[in-house]
Amino acid sequence: GNSVTQMEGPVTLSEEAFLTINCTYTATGYPSLFWYVQYPGEGLQLLLKATKADDKGSNKGFEATYRKETTSFHLEKGSVQVSDSAVYFCALRHDSWGKLQFGAGTQVVVTP
Amino acid sequence: KAGVTQTPRYLIKTRGQQVTLSCSPISGHRSVSWYQQTPGQGLQFLFEYFSETQRNKGNFPGRFSGRQFSNSRSEMNVSTLELGDSALYLCASSQGPTSGGHEDIQYFGAGTRLSVL
Repeated sequence: GNSVTQMEGPVTLSEEAFLTINCTYTATGYPSLFWYVQYPGEGLQLLLKATKADDKGSNKGFEATYRKETTSFHLEKGSVQVSDSAVYFCALRHDSWGKLQFGAGTQVVVTP
Repeated sequence: KAGVTQTPRYLIKTRGQQVTLSCSPISGHRSVSWYQQTPGQGLQFLFEYFSETQRNKGNFPGRFSGRQFSNSRSEMNVSTLELGDSALYLCASSQGPTSGGHEDIQYFGAGTRLSVL
């Protein structure tokens, strides 16, 4: 079946550091891939997405590239801020719409 | 445009009771999905509705049920509550198959935090 594997956290960084969160997936065909972010006490917000191989999603300085050959969708940001402290979830959707399958989430803590 | 609204935000129940959670989707969205979030199991899919029909169901016992109304609002019900049902229950809405293929995006509510004592 389909699955999503994320690197375990917490990931602790200093402000302005480079952030990478690894995400790999197992799925048949060509799923759509997503990164969602959850701030304390809130629901999930879509950060970025990619729907086909080699697509790059980007938003708010975050980027991720859909790599079919390595079945990966790693999240990167060049210079993090304290406000980026949150839990980040990688997710896939196998169908053209509907339910998402999530990774375990990676907590990111950015210190001043 | 108002976002996804979940009510109530917090609930405290005791074992054996039942509970109903409500979700109002974004206007125009016809698909609603429910997820359970716990520290141990992470985010797990519960069910998904489109046009009042359950399209998918996750691997949860029959104590978990849901429905969708003609105005796309959805409710989920958990009967005979157990301690392990304590979780954050998240609802997400999207346009569904009318979104034009892979552009369908799920928007999440803030969740209902259920505590079972």
